[in-house]
Amino acid sequence: DSGVTQTPKHLITATGQRVTLRCSPRSGDLSVYWYQQSLDQGLQFLIQYYNGEERAKGNILERFSAQQFPDLHSELNLSSLELGDSALYFCASSVGPGVSNQPQHFGDGTRLSIL
Amino acid sequence: AQTVTQSQPEMSVQEAETVTLSCTYDTSESDYYLFWYKQPPSRQMILVIRQEAYKQQNATENRFSVNFQKAAKSFSLKISDSQLGDAAMYFCAYMEGIGGGADGLTFGKGTHLIIQP
Repeated sequence: DSGVTQTPKHLITATGQRVTLRCSPRSGDLSVYWYQQSLDQGLQFLIQYYNGEERAKGNILERFSAQQFPDLHSELNLSSLELGDSALYFCASSVGPGVSNQPQHFGDGTRLSIL
Repeated sequence: AQTVTQSQPEMSVQEAETVTLSCTYDTSESDYYLFWYKQPPSRQMILVIRQEAYKQQNATENRFSVNFQKAAKSFSLKISDSQLGDAAMYFCAYMEGIGGGADGLTFGKGTHLIIQP
C-alpha cells in the first residue's frame, strides 16, 4: 500500500461529459502529481501541485484542469470528454520539490472508459 | 525536452536466471534522478530502485541493481535470480534535480518482462 488513495477506481461515462477524479496524498506529502497512461501515449505527466499551488504543467489538455485543496487532496477535472481520453489516470505524491532523492509514490489509478 | 528510451519492448528470462533491461536518456542537465518502476498486471506503479546522477556508485536493492553510465546516458536494470513475481512492465523514468523546475517524471515506453518457469 503506497498510502496514496485515488477514487473512484473505475469510471464509465459518455463523450461530451465531465468527470472529477480525486486523490489523497500520503501523510506528510505536499506535492501531488497527475499522470495519464494510455496505449497511444504511454505514461505522461500532466500537472503538479505543491502545497496548494500549481508548480509544473506537462502534456495537459486545455479541457483538463486540476487543483489542490488546503487539506492537500487534489482533484483532476476532465471535461468535454472524447474517446481518446479513455486511459488510466494516476496520482502520485512526494514530500515536495527541493528535497533530494525523493521518490514519487503512486496510487492505484482511476480507469476512465469513454463510451 | 528530456527523453527516455527503452529499446526492448519485451524480454524473456528463465526463472532463477539474470536479466538486464536497457534504458537510455537524453538531457542537458547535470543534476537529475533516475528511477525504475514496475507495473504488474494489477496496474499498480511500484518503485523498484532509484539513482542520483551525482552518485558514482550504482544503486542496489536486494536482487535489483543498476548500471549507471552518466557519460553514455545509460541506466540499465539488472534483476538477479528472477522470480515469477518479477513478471511485469518495467518503466525507466527521469526527473530533474533540485534546481530544475518541473518535478514530473518522464517515462520510457516500458519493457514487458516475461518469466519462464
